[in-house]
Amino acid sequence: AQSVTQPDIHITVSEGASLELRCNYSYGATPYLFWYVQSPGQGLQLLLKYFSGDTLVQGIKGFEAEFKRSQSSFNLRKPSVHWSDAAEYFCAVDTSGTYKYIFGTGTRLKVLA
Amino acid sequence: EAEVAQSPRYKITEKSQAVAFWCDPISGHATLYWYRQILGQGPELLVQFQDESVVDDSQLPKDRFSAERLKGVDSTLKIQPAELGDSAMYLCASSLGQGSREQYFGPGTRLTVT
Repeated sequence: AQSVTQPDIHITVSEGASLELRCNYSYGATPYLFWYVQSPGQGLQLLLKYFSGDTLVQGIKGFEAEFKRSQSSFNLRKPSVHWSDAAEYFCAVDTSGTYKYIFGTGTRLKVLA
Repeated sequence: EAEVAQSPRYKITEKSQAVAFWCDPISGHATLYWYRQILGQGPELLVQFQDESVVDDSQLPKDRFSAERLKGVDSTLKIQPAELGDSAMYLCASSLGQGSREQYFGPGTRLTVT
């Protein structure tokens, strides 16, 4: 069955430090990949997406993600974290061709001043 | 910027009572989704509509949950009777359809069943 794994439940970084959030998926072909961010008590905001082409994709708020087919990964990165980035981050895949997402369990990011 | 609207934002109800949530997708979006997000987990799809038709409701607990999108625009999700385990965030999302895969989420309804 298709699945999405976010191995880190919580991550704490200092403001200004770099960030990498991991996402691995299980699927035979290349899925459509997404990263969303959720602030407390809010809905999800799309950060970036990968469908095909260049494996390094740029998103909003200074985030980028790299698709690595050999590792079935789509890790999210940011070179310098701001306190306002504290939130929960979800990786999602759309694999079935029916435009449905499977979400990972999320990574909660804490930013230290 | 167009947004997905949901109401209410918060709902507290007693078990065995009925509860309903409303969603108004972005104008022109043909596909509408209802998700349930239990605290500490990712959203899980409950039902997917294409216009007024249900595409997938395989994960909807049909003994107590119902969803409709009568005119293919806004949608209502109902729970009757509510159970303690239904406490969660209920998220609505919409997509343009026609090959578009990006989903846009509303702010959600936080349900607490006491």
